[in-house]
Amino acid sequence: QQQVKQSPQSLIVQKGGISIINCAYENTAFDYFPWYQQFPGKGPALLIAIRPDVSEKKEGRFTISFNKSAKQFSLHIMDSQPGDSATYFCAASMSDYKLSFGAGTTVTVRA
Amino acid sequence: KAGVTQTPRYLIKTRGQQVTLSCSPISGHRSVSWYQQTPGQGLQFLFEYFSETQRNKGNFPGRFSGRQFSNSRSEMNVSTLELGDSALYLCASSLEAISPLHFGNGTRLTVT
Repeated sequence: QQQVKQSPQSLIVQKGGISIINCAYENTAFDYFPWYQQFPGKGPALLIAIRPDVSEKKEGRFTISFNKSAKQFSLHIMDSQPGDSATYFCAASMSDYKLSFGAGTTVTVRA
Repeated sequence: KAGVTQTPRYLIKTRGQQVTLSCSPISGHRSVSWYQQTPGQGLQFLFEYFSETQRNKGNFPGRFSGRQFSNSRSEMNVSTLELGDSALYLCASSLEAISPLHFGNGTRLTVT
């Protein structure tokens, strides 16, 4: 059973637009929430991560918003570029190396 | 600094055979984890090793096993292959506790 639920399954955004991916979890023991980006033929690459004591973290055009009470977190990609077209995975762990991944969101940025 | 290296990149095996996949972590990383990625089940945790000891194991049958050597390199073995074992097997390494995972590009296993 998926411990982290991710939506949408796919999205298409125009260049310069905002991509938003949402994730929800049930296990309140999770204390580490990373996002990974994966291109075809490559392994996932860490994009940005957050811990529950922070409500928002921004790195460049990527922002994680975290809502502990709702047990939800989301990734916002601002000013989306064609190079951002990839599959994005949210994940969660109890700092024991075992990451539970969401099902993934395929993002397509139209030029 | 070289990334996580997985060999081979592609493998084709027949049902009932066994297979061994290899992973060389980033220099200095002592933790190695393995994940299976399939279109249907997504990314699933197999096991994690630290200093040659398995610390965590996912919900996979005993046909899936692994080990880590003193130089932190790791191998994963799957015995009595089934069609459903066809997947991308990803290895990831990290320095130690609570540190980011760095993934390799995986080994694509096809079982016919």
